[in-house]
Parts: sequence; C-alpha cells; structure tokens
Amino acid sequence: GAGVSQSPSNKVTEKGKDVELRCDPISGHTALYWYRQSLGQGLEFLIYFQGNSAPDKSGLPSDRFSAERTGGSVSTLTIQRTQQEDSAVYLCASSYQQGAELFGPGTRLTVL
Amino acid sequence: GQQLNQSPQSMFIQEGEDVSMNCTSSSIFNTWLWYKQDPGEGPVLLIALYKAGELTSNGRLTAQFGITRKDSFLNISASIPSDVGIYFCAGPKRAGGTSYGKLTFGQGTILTVHP
Repeated sequence: GAGVSQSPSNKVTEKGKDVELRCDPISGHTALYWYRQSLGQGLEFLIYFQGNSAPDKSGLPSDRFSAERTGGSVSTLTIQRTQQEDSAVYLCASSYQQGAELFGPGTRLTVL
Repeated sequence: GQQLNQSPQSMFIQEGEDVSMNCTSSSIFNTWLWYKQDPGEGPVLLIALYKAGELTSNGRLTAQFGITRKDSFLNISASIPSDVGIYFCAGPKRAGGTSYGKLTFGQGTILTVHP
C-alpha cells in the first residue's frame, strides 16, 4: 500500500523484556516521527528523524527508549527492560520536509 | 511547553445534527492541524490551516484558524454515523513554529453519533 505501515500490530511482552517496533514510512518522505498514545489520551511526541540530520530525541521518556532509522527509510523503536507503564499504542508518522504528518495504524504494546 | 486545550471532551449527538469543537492555546501557532482517529487506527489528517483567519472546508468539515493564532475550531455539518471517532487538534511543538514535526496534540474530542 501507499501508506505508513507498522509492525507488529499488537505486541504482548513480559516486564523486563526488550521489544522492537518497526515503521515503514511512505516512500519519498524525508521525515519520520514516533509518538506514544496512552489509553484515552492524546499523542505524546517521542523522536523525530529528518533526512540525514541528527534525530531529535527530546521526547524520549527514558534511556530505555531508543530509535534508529536505516538508510533514510525504515525505522525501529526499541524499548529495553520494558515496564508496565510502557503499555500504549506506538504510532509512527512520516512527511515531506514541510508537509503534514501522515500516520500509520500503530503498534499496541502490552507489558504484563 | 505549549498546551492545547480541546473542548468539549465528548459529544453525543443525533444523526443530522451539526457539531462544533475547538482548540485553544496559550502560545501562538502558525499552523493548525485537525485529525480524526478511528478505533484501532492511526490519526487521519482532515484539514491543515496555515494562516490566521483562514477558513478551509473539506466536504462537510470546516475549520478556521483564529485571528489571534491561539485558537481553532472544527465544524461538522449534517453528521452521519461514520463521523464517530476521536478528533484531535495539533500544532507544531515549537512555539510559533511554522514547520511541521514534533506536534503537540489536544486531548481529543470523542464524538458519538446516534442514528
């Protein structure tokens, strides 16, 4: 399809385990964003990649969270030593440099 | 950081009624975005506003960028059952920012439409 895709759609893990969430942005979009949405809440910015620039990590809640974007395309968000408060929907979005962000369907993470 | 206050938090309306929701900020925004989120889906962009005073329509949806640059509203006319969902306003996280990226989101308005 032509939209942003994310995998897996659902992930259940045990507290303390590491998880990796994947985002495939829209082809040609130079910017990629990760957001977190807790139940019934708005979206919380996590990290932003723009082209070859250093990512803006100002929204990452702790050093257990990291993300990388390989080849200017696919991105992986990694959460180490997951905690129950990490349970949320993790949304990825992409855009052209000055374009509005288009979102993927999200990955629902449940930490038991 | 900037806060976006969105109201109402929820609305229960009859099919065919018009709906209005708004978003206010303590900081100036140079861009306002309105998204709709269906259950289990990511937010979908409805309308983007770029200029103070701008009024933009997308089908039955109309949104306006307030002249103070600190508010925006979204109207839905003649609501239908598929309008059900959560509506979010959003703006660039950097105060006065004109570029996209690092959006700040309102808390959302949950819309329920009774047939």
